Parts: sequence; C-alpha cells; structure tokens
Amino acid sequence: RKEVEQDPGPFNVPEGATVAFNCTYSNSASQSFFWYRQDCRKEPKLLMSVYSSGNEDGRFTAQLNRASQYISLLIRDSKLSDSATYLCVAWQTGANNLFFGTGTRLTVIP
Amino acid sequence: DGGITQSPKYLFRKEGQNVTLSCEQNLNHDAMYWYRQDPGQGLRLIYYSQIVNDFQKGDIAEGYSVSREKKESFPLTVTSAQKNPTAFYLCASQGASGNTIYFGEGSWLTVV
Repeated sequence: RKEVEQDPGPFNVPEGATVAFNCTYSNSASQSFFWYRQDCRKEPKLLMSVYSSGNEDGRFTAQLNRASQYISLLIRDSKLSDSATYLCVAWQTGANNLFFGTGTRLTVIP
Repeated sequence: DGGITQSPKYLFRKEGQNVTLSCEQNLNHDAMYWYRQDPGQGLRLIYYSQIVNDFQKGDIAEGYSVSREKKESFPLTVTSAQKNPTAFYLCASQGASGNTIYFGEGSWLTVV
C-alpha cells in the first residue's frame, strides 16, 4: 500500500464551481501535511500547509482528519488559472520521511 | 533572492555518458533531496542528504550518484548504468524537520 494515495482524476469542472480533493495516508505517525500545486512541465510549488484545526487561504481550504487519516483540499469559485496537478504530501519524523501522492489533475473549463 | 537553483534546465546525453546536474541552495537548509518525475507519474526519491558529508539512497538510487561536500550544494550524477535516464529531475531542500520543502525549477534530461 502506498504511503499517500490520491485520486488521480482528472477532475474537469466549470469556472466558478467548487471542487474537493481527498488524500489518504497510511502511517499514523505522519506529522505534517502539505498541498503542492504543479503546473505542466514545472516544479511543484507550495499551496498550503495543513494544520490540525484546518486552515483557509482565500478560495482554498485545507482540512486534516487524523482519526480517518485523510486530508482534503477545497477550492471555491474555481478559476481557469487553478488548472494544475495538486500533490498531497505527508511528513513523518525520521529519515527518508517525505511521502508524495501521485497528484490529482484539475482542469477548469470556461 | 533566496532559493534553489538547478542547472542546466535542459540537457541531452548520449548513451554511455555520465552527466551531472547541479543543485545549489542559499536557504541555509540542512536537508536536500533529488527526485525523478516521469510523464504523468509521481515523484520518486533518488537520493537525500540530511547533513553535509552524509547522504542516503532513496527508492531508485541505482545508476545515480551524489555528493554533499558543502551545505549549499547537492549535485546528482546520472551514470551510464542508468538504463532509462530520460526524465524530469527535481532538486529540493528543507529546513528544520517537518518544515516546507522547496523545489528548484527542475532539469530535463533526454538521452539521444
């Protein structure tokens, strides 16, 4: 079983829609979580860190559910510029401790 | 500006040649990583280093080598032993444990 699993999509949504991605992690020792955005042929860039209480940054909301071992990303009022692949990342204490999901591809349609 | 610099951005290699990808960071980060990404695939860890003069193999280290002689630098050599080296290579660094990981812009390697 992979450490971090994501639905690969693709998610095709119209502009203005709300879309949610989930990501599950297998190791309860995971301590920090992040969402990264990766545009085609570019490097991943940090979108949000995910905190236990949940956090919001403009149209983006991240939630962590430790009991069920999943994190989520909600995008409201989708823009064309939101089209990208969204990577879920979990970090555990110790060496070789970063685990990436394979990404969820989002396309926002005019 | 602070950040991670990878070079070259595009590189073509003939079969049988070794090539070295450069990665430099001025973020004063201890940990550095090399990942490989194939089209439509996730990131796979090649090597990582938690501290100067120390590095560890990742999941796909065969055919690659690294060094960490300076905190700022973590070059990756793709050797002729790597049978399928054409890919997008990403270098990353991380400060204190659990903190955000930052990526360089990546290097595209193509075997011709």
